[in-house]
Formats: sequence, structure tokens, C-alpha cells
Amino acid sequence: QVQLVESGGGLVKPGGSLRLSCAASGFTLGDYYMTWIRQAPGKGLEWLSYISSTGSTIYYADSVRGRFTISRDNAKNSLYLQMNSLRAEDTAVYYCARDLGGNCCNWFDPWGQGTLVTVSS
Amino acid sequence: YVLTQPPSVSVAPGGTAILTCGGNNIRNKNVHWYQQKPGQAPVSVIYYNSDRPSGIPERFSGSNSWNTATLTISRVEAGDEADYYCQVWDGGSIHVIFGGGTKLTVL
Repeated sequence: QVQLVESGGGLVKPGGSLRLSCAASGFTLGDYYMTWIRQAPGKGLEWLSYISSTGSTIYYADSVRGRFTISRDNAKNSLYLQMNSLRAEDTAVYYCARDLGGNCCNWFDPWGQGTLVTVSS
Repeated sequence: YVLTQPPSVSVAPGGTAILTCGGNNIRNKNVHWYQQKPGQAPVSVIYYNSDRPSGIPERFSGSNSWNTATLTISRVEAGDEADYYCQVWDGGSIHVIFGGGTKLTVL
């Protein structure tokens, strides 16, 4: 069964850091592009970043470039999102998703269940 | 690149829901659709404009023409009530773009 499970969310103060993890099972992570997407409370979906199967290609949304870093460890079947300089507007549920289209044709299936990040003093 | 979706659509059970996603020359892009029920993660219902992932009923169909992509849900059921998002990849900005979402209400 193909599954993604995020972890690492929680409450953090503005300016703080957090590292999210996404554990994949039921498929070989190294065969796929992967992506992070978030959803602020009561809002729509916002794409954040995707990473190629080998990690050689990475793109970020303007809202997180320079603050967030996507990475992967294919040997551990895991995807990560290092989030620095967090702001209140980063408060959201963060989803990882498998990218079935790859560069230029990205679409996502499945998605993890999400992990909540709350940035507040 | 901006994708425009109506905030809400209502349909009676058994009817047909037509959800639109507007974008400049969107016909030149691959459009993907996701369903998100309250408290759950999104689920893909249409990819590459009109393909259905395994397990998605044939009642869900998609099309893409000129400046509007469309998700059509036939014989709507109460369980189809959800938020629906369209998504494309924009080569100009090298960004993935989501529409703002449409809340489908089954009356």
C-alpha cells in the first residue's frame, strides 16, 4: 500500500526553525519526484517546493525561497523540509506528496495526511 | 500564472456538477484536479486534463479547451461534497500553481 506519513510539526516561535519529515512506504522513493504543499487554516493549497528523484533539480515557491530547504534520503525512503526564519503566515498544514509527472508535468498522488505547523509567540 | 475557480457550486443529488478552472491559454497546459473532504488530505480525481486515477468513478470526467478547464461530476452523490482544486505547472515561472478551489455543495 502506497503511503506517505509526515511528522515534525508543532508550535514554534516566530523566527524559529522546524524540520519536517515524510516517510514513504509501499514504493521506492528514489524513483519519483517529491513535493511539499501547505494549506493555511481555512485557505487553499499552496505549492512550496519539489525535488527530482536524485535531488539534482529543486524548485521553490517565491514565498519560501531562501528560508525553506527541501531534501531527500532515498536510502531511508524519506523526504524532508527544513524551515527557517518562520513567520506567522507559515502557519499551515504541511503535506508531502508523490509527484507522478516530474518536471513540467507535475501532479500529485498520493498525499500524506499532513502535519500542522503553528508559528506563534 | 493565475487559475480562477468559482468559490462555490451547488447541485442536487443525481444532477451534474460542472466545475471550471480559468487560465490564460490553459488549453496549452496539463490540468489536474483534486478533491478534498473536510479534515482530509487532497485526493487526485483527474490528471492530464481527462485521465482518471484508479479507483475514481467514471462519473468524474475532465476536459480542457481554450481558456477554461472543466471537471464534470455526473450523477452527483452526497459523498461528492468537497472542495475541488485545479492545478497546473507553469513553465514561465517554473512553479506549480493551484486554483483557489471550489466548494461543491450537494443540496
